[in-house]
Amino acid sequence: KAGVTQTPRYLIKTRGQQVTLSCSPISGHRSVSWYQQTPGQGLQFLFEYFSETQRNKGNFPGRFSGRQFSNSRSEMNVSTLELGDSALYLCATASGGPNTEAFFGQGTRLTVV
Amino acid sequence: GNSVTQMEGPVTLSEEAFLTINCTYTATGYPSLFWYVQYPGEGLQLLLKATKADDKGSNKGFEATYRKETTSFHLEKGSVQVSDSAVYFCASRTGDTGRRALTFGSGTRLQVQP
Repeated sequence: KAGVTQTPRYLIKTRGQQVTLSCSPISGHRSVSWYQQTPGQGLQFLFEYFSETQRNKGNFPGRFSGRQFSNSRSEMNVSTLELGDSALYLCATASGGPNTEAFFGQGTRLTVV
Repeated sequence: GNSVTQMEGPVTLSEEAFLTINCTYTATGYPSLFWYVQYPGEGLQLLLKATKADDKGSNKGFEATYRKETTSFHLEKGSVQVSDSAVYFCASRTGDTGRRALTFGSGTRLQVQP
């Protein structure tokens, strides 16, 4: 069974640009969550999508957005990049039940210069 | 709101030493509890979980028991190996549909020396 696939693995962008990251879940998983990992703030929840609907949202500015497609693949977008957006962005997928475990991808390392 | 507190690292041990990484949580309701491990350059891997009080999660020699009375979920291993060197994250999650995000601790780096 293939794992969670995130693309690209590494990305370098300039301040002010926008970026789109992709996450392909494990087959059958309908819940996709995104997390930001930085040395200073640790792991912080961005948002969760389930069946193409945003179900939960963390405390991030509106520059951070996401969507989910009918095949459960998800994208997140960050507009008007700031230096502080440099981070490892992790995607986690689950089947969606209340006690199901989340499986993480390897992440996308975004560097903003 | 929910929060998870882990002991500060790094924790440095010799091979075959006993490991304890402390984790306590605050949450509304009765959360599920998890330990994840992150190796350098990788995402997070689920190590073990417990979904209700007194449950013991175990995997690869690691164990943690869900203690509701002390709101704790300490990670233990009887004999660590060099290959266990990684960052360990304690996490909680409630079952409420509107609050299903994982809340993570700050992570504890474990270094095991030969």
